[in-house]
Amino acid sequence: AQSVTQLGSHVSVSEGALVLLRCNYSSSVPPYLFWYVQYPNQGLQLLLKYTSAATLVKGINGFEAEFKKSETSFHLTKPSAHMSDAAEYFCAVRSDTGRRALTFGSGTRLQVQP
Amino acid sequence: DGGITQSPKYLFRKEGQNVTLSCEQNLNHDAMYWYRQDPGQGLRLIYYSQIVNDFQKGDIAEGYSVSREKKESFPLTVTSAQKNPTAFYLCASRAGATGNEQFFGPGTRLTVL
Repeated sequence: AQSVTQLGSHVSVSEGALVLLRCNYSSSVPPYLFWYVQYPNQGLQLLLKYTSAATLVKGINGFEAEFKKSETSFHLTKPSAHMSDAAEYFCAVRSDTGRRALTFGSGTRLQVQP
Repeated sequence: DGGITQSPKYLFRKEGQNVTLSCEQNLNHDAMYWYRQDPGQGLRLIYYSQIVNDFQKGDIAEGYSVSREKKESFPLTVTSAQKNPTAFYLCASRAGATGNEQFFGPGTRLTVL
């Protein structure tokens, strides 16, 4: 069974600083990995996805993530934080069974200080 | 615009009552999912449906029921058997065999009074 671990339930950065949100996964097969963002009282919006093509994946709003098989990691980064990036971020892995549901990490809340 | 709608946005229920949460999509997606979100936790799968007239239990199905009579609709009923129903409920859909990512609705926040 797949699982996802997000290190750090809260991350605080200054505006303009590097954003790094950590995600480690476990999967018995080559994984499909996703990062979603959630603003308060809203649904989830897809930031980016890894589906076994390029290991460096670029997403929306300047975010990118690198798939590292040897480290079983899929960390999310952004070179320069903006106030509008403050939200909760979820890493997810797609099930390798027929249901193709997503298994989510517990989320990381990003605060951006002015 | 294609997307997923959920209604109502906020729902209040008295203990012992059943309530039904609506989820509609016009993306022509085959698969639909219901997740539950609690504070400080990720999303957990309640039920899913790959095709019309077929659905399967997820990881936390007890106290919930669903139907899939139409491709575009996947309502979730929270029954009185669900011991702790206060949560944020999210519906998602995914395209057919080649679809990987899921698209989410805006959610329904259910509060039991």
